[in-house]
Amino acid sequence: DAGVTQSPTHLIKTRGQHVTLRCSPISGHKSVSWYQQVLGQGPQFIFQYYEKEERGRGNFPDRFSARQFPNYSSELNVNALLLGDSALYLCASSFSPQGSYNSPLHFGNGTRLTVT
Amino acid sequence: GESVGLHLPTLSVQEGDNSIINCAYSNSASDYFIWYKQESGKGPQFIIDIRSNMDKRQGQRVTVLLNKTVKHLSLQIAATQPGDSAVYFCAENIRNTDKLIFGTGTRLQVFP
Repeated sequence: DAGVTQSPTHLIKTRGQHVTLRCSPISGHKSVSWYQQVLGQGPQFIFQYYEKEERGRGNFPDRFSARQFPNYSSELNVNALLLGDSALYLCASSFSPQGSYNSPLHFGNGTRLTVT
Repeated sequence: GESVGLHLPTLSVQEGDNSIINCAYSNSASDYFIWYKQESGKGPQFIIDIRSNMDKRQGQRVTVLLNKTVKHLSLQIAATQPGDSAVYFCAENIRNTDKLIFGTGTRLQVFP
């Protein structure tokens, strides 16, 4: 079975530009979460969507937005990119809403975003 | 591949030895805890989780211990292998929320 897939794998953008990252969850998973991982740190929670509804949002500015589609895939959008947005963006999926024991998050390999 | 993390605490062990990776958490309201393994260029991979009402849980070659009194979590890897080399993260789920809080990670290096 295919795991969580993310596209693109690498991306280079200029300050002020906009970026869209895409994620396809594991088949049957209805919950998708987005995390930002800056080099040398653990992942930080950005958003969670379950059944197309936003279930949680981390401490990120309004430049970050996301949505989930009827097929449970998801997009993360970041506007007005800053140098500090350079990071690995991870998507994770699970069968039930995040926070369920024995229903762990399964992560994709991420999109490496570099802002110059 | 690109390094997952720089300047992380590092644990170096010889192949075949047991490894113990430690993690401190801060929130008493955490509902369960998870260990993830992250290899260079990849996303975190689930290893094992433990509910807050448990003290110990065993998996294949791995054991997680939870000490709620001192808010400490550990991951024990038996007979460490070169393929175990990676960065290991603990994560906690805060009760009644939908997000995981990750620690900063520990790099495990296995040498022959």
